[in-house]
Amino acid sequence: SSELTQDPAVSVALGQTLKITCQGDSLRSYYGGWYQQKPGQAPLLVMYGRNRPSGIPDRFSGSSSGTTISLTITNVQAEDEADYYCNSRDSSGTRVVFGGGTRLTVL
Amino acid sequence: QLVESGGGLVQPGTSLRLSCAASGFSLREFDMHWVRQGPGKGLEWVASIKWKSGASDYADSVRGRFTISRDNAKNSLHLQMNSLRVEDTALYYCAKDKSVTAASYLDSWGQGTLVTVSS
Repeated sequence: SSELTQDPAVSVALGQTLKITCQGDSLRSYYGGWYQQKPGQAPLLVMYGRNRPSGIPDRFSGSSSGTTISLTITNVQAEDEADYYCNSRDSSGTRVVFGGGTRLTVL
Repeated sequence: QLVESGGGLVQPGTSLRLSCAASGFSLREFDMHWVRQGPGKGLEWVASIKWKSGASDYADSVRGRFTISRDNAKNSLHLQMNSLRVEDTALYYCAKDKSVTAASYLDSWGQGTLVTVSS
């Protein structure tokens, strides 16, 4: 079982704002990352801490509070439809864990 | 860029060695990981190797059966998988860590190599 918990699925209307959350005790010590995975593609890092890798639209932003991190997507576009995974270190700090993933559907 | 190879169809109990060729950077300067994804499932971290010490760590599901290693001269990463089980069936990704903090951010991924364990 994953040490990071995500909602399995969310949906949002085109152009609206969405927040995806990830909860885990280790997030109090290690800031998490967020990955976008579209069908048939490798995961893509879209947020690390509060930082966006180059090439990621500024519609994506990250935040943290206690044991929860959040990925916010403003003005959601059709191409944002994908699975989103969070990751962090585990509570021991030696291993890596992924959340179970959140499937985003754009209506 | 990361390019995995070595996947295939194997029987339970056998071995397989995956490779990941890196280009555009020296993998000795970054922590490296193997991550797998079973059919229709989420991402599962498998193993990692530290850039500086070469220390490795493993998920409980593979500890004692899998070994991660790197060949600095060939700029490649490997995963030796022994005693394979049906539940090891997955697409195996090689991934590079940004290695900027104690956190782990995988900022470059290969396209994966498929391992199928079946009798």
